[in-house]
Amino acid sequence: QVQLQQSGAELVKPGTSVKLSCKASGYTFTSNHMNWIKQTTGQGLEWIGIINPGSGGTSYNVKFKGKATLTVDKSSSTAFMQLSSLTPEDSAVYYCARSRAFDYWGQGVMVTVSS
Amino acid sequence: DIQMTQSPASLSASLGETISIECRASEDIYSNLAWYQQKSGKSPQLLIYAANRLQDGVPSRFSGSGSGTQYSLKISGMQPEDEGDYFCLQGSKFPLTFGSGTKLEIK
Repeated sequence: QVQLQQSGAELVKPGTSVKLSCKASGYTFTSNHMNWIKQTTGQGLEWIGIINPGSGGTSYNVKFKGKATLTVDKSSSTAFMQLSSLTPEDSAVYYCARSRAFDYWGQGVMVTVSS
Repeated sequence: DIQMTQSPASLSASLGETISIECRASEDIYSNLAWYQQKSGKSPQLLIYAANRLQDGVPSRFSGSGSGTQYSLKISGMQPEDEGDYFCLQGSKFPLTFGSGTKLEIK
């Protein structure tokens, strides 16, 4: 069965970076795009970007360009999202979700940015 | 960016009641619309894709309709397990955008 297993919760300091992971199983990793989504109580759900694991090609929401960097490691079927220059406004739950249909989601990871 | 206006923001329904949730896009999204359910503390789950296609394993009481800029999700016969948040997603144009969500509760 398709599973997306995300890394654990992060407590990080302002100005630093964090790299989140999303390990895929149960399907051919390179055959489906992977999306990343931010969820907050105030802003709701925001699409950060999408990566094609086969080619490494990416598309970003302009709002998150410079903030998020999407990569993959095909050998481990894992997608990554690095968030840089973190501020308290980056505190959120972040999800990965498979394909343009967002048909499977990871369990989410809470990132808290606090000094 | 395409704006997705979702209504109502909250809804209370009795068991067995039929309810509808609407999403209006700021431009034609050519049926590239999906609906998701999110229960408290859980990840969203896909219910409907391509405006009216039922995802495998989703109960048939869920249905989607619409075209152009107007779309709706219907639950025919509210069940206790249907409590949660519902939101739409347009997949027509980057950046992909979500509706603001509807909180559905049992009356």
